[in-house]
Amino acid sequence: DIQMTQSPSSLSASVGDRVTITCRTSQSISSHLNWYQQKPGKAPKLLIYAASSLQSGVTSRFSGSGSGTDFTLTISSLQPEDLATYYCQQSYSTPRTFGQGTKLEIK
Amino acid sequence: EVQLVESGGGLVQPGGSLRLSCAASGFTFSSYEMNWVRQAPGKGLEWFSYISTSGSTIYYADSVKGRFTISRDNPKNSLYLQMNSLRAEDTAVYYCARTEYSSTNWFDPWGQGTLVTVSS
Repeated sequence: DIQMTQSPSSLSASVGDRVTITCRTSQSISSHLNWYQQKPGKAPKLLIYAASSLQSGVTSRFSGSGSGTDFTLTISSLQPEDLATYYCQQSYSTPRTFGQGTKLEIK
Repeated sequence: EVQLVESGGGLVQPGGSLRLSCAASGFTFSSYEMNWVRQAPGKGLEWFSYISTSGSTIYYADSVKGRFTISRDNPKNSLYLQMNSLRAEDTAVYYCARTEYSSTNWFDPWGQGTLVTVSS
């Protein structure tokens, strides 16, 4: 199974900050990496697919980059509604696996 | 509107059984592969089952293999999960999720989830 490691596990940032979350995989997965946002009490929502493609309807404040084993999710200017936990997920092989999540808090 | 709605969750004793349903609407259900993903209380996301469009190909995570059965009824636009021999560690919110494809694949959308609690 492909192991996914996100960092940090949690972070606190201020409105307007640039925020970066990292996801590292245990083997190369090319660009088969997706990012989800899960707000408290809600189902996950797709933000980014194929490492860097923005899902339709998602604000351009979110962007993704990387390939191989190292990936990044960036929020360009943090907003209060970005309070959530963020997960990376690999779609290279079965079983599909997720990172442990990054809980983002607003200062 | 594309929508997935889970039902069937509840409280069940260890060793018991439960059947979850996922009703799809707003898209051609028979054209899409489907999945179940769960989330234990306060924990992360765990994919554990996949079914192809016809139901001919099925995958399970080791954590549920031999105990859970995924199935679908395309004319009824429904996905199912039969859960047997339930354990305390199966306590979680259970989500159904559609597979979308482009250069890779991903889960979108997700249902709202249904809570399964395994406890005596």
